[in-house]
Amino acid sequence: GAGVSQSPSNKVTEKGKDVELRCDPISGHTALYWYRQSLGQGLEFLIYFQGNSAPDKSGLPSDRFSAERTGGSVSTLTIQRTQQEDSAVYLCASSPPDRGNSPLHFGNGTRLTVT
Amino acid sequence: AQSVAQPEDQVNVAEGNPLTVKCTYSVSGNPYLFWYVQYPNRGLQFLLKYITGDNLVKGSYGFEAEFNKSQTSFHLKKPSALVSDSALYFCAVRDEGGNNRLAFGKGNQVVVIP
Repeated sequence: GAGVSQSPSNKVTEKGKDVELRCDPISGHTALYWYRQSLGQGLEFLIYFQGNSAPDKSGLPSDRFSAERTGGSVSTLTIQRTQQEDSAVYLCASSPPDRGNSPLHFGNGTRLTVT
Repeated sequence: AQSVAQPEDQVNVAEGNPLTVKCTYSVSGNPYLFWYVQYPNRGLQFLLKYITGDNLVKGSYGFEAEFNKSQTSFHLKKPSALVSDSALYFCAVRDEGGNNRLAFGKGNQVVVIP
């Protein structure tokens, strides 16, 4: 079946512009995560959605970052007034409803370059 | 909060030799432990997990890992490495009784030398 889909796969933007990154999770997966991967830094947790519960936004690095999930499915991560340090690969993952023992299914990521 | 340490940046191993990638973790409750592999320009792929039960778990592509509670470790192993195993490997942990956040280590680059 279809996996987690992320778009665009690559995005180059100028410093100060806003960007939107999209994630389409696996159908039926109620949990959705956003992570940021920077070279040599591992995966940095950004935000977590679970069903209709309030999202865990504790990983968002600044108020320039926001995310929403419409209808419990597609999610959009928005970065306002982009800075060069925002350059990274942004990974989305989803998992089915359970007690947290299911693995995450990752998309291929969006590589963001801020010039 | 849960955390993971992967102490080595890169692991070099000759093809056919045993491969070990180290991972130690920290959680306040019982751990759910995972290993993922990432190939260039791809997302992470699940390899194996420990939730409960037998401390030795077997996963995809001939990989296995051993949960050691006293040493808070979950090292990934493969008896005979292949060149195609060259990739970035991530260990991750979730606290059974805590939030559902999955904390990742910084990753280990594995290079298998022909």
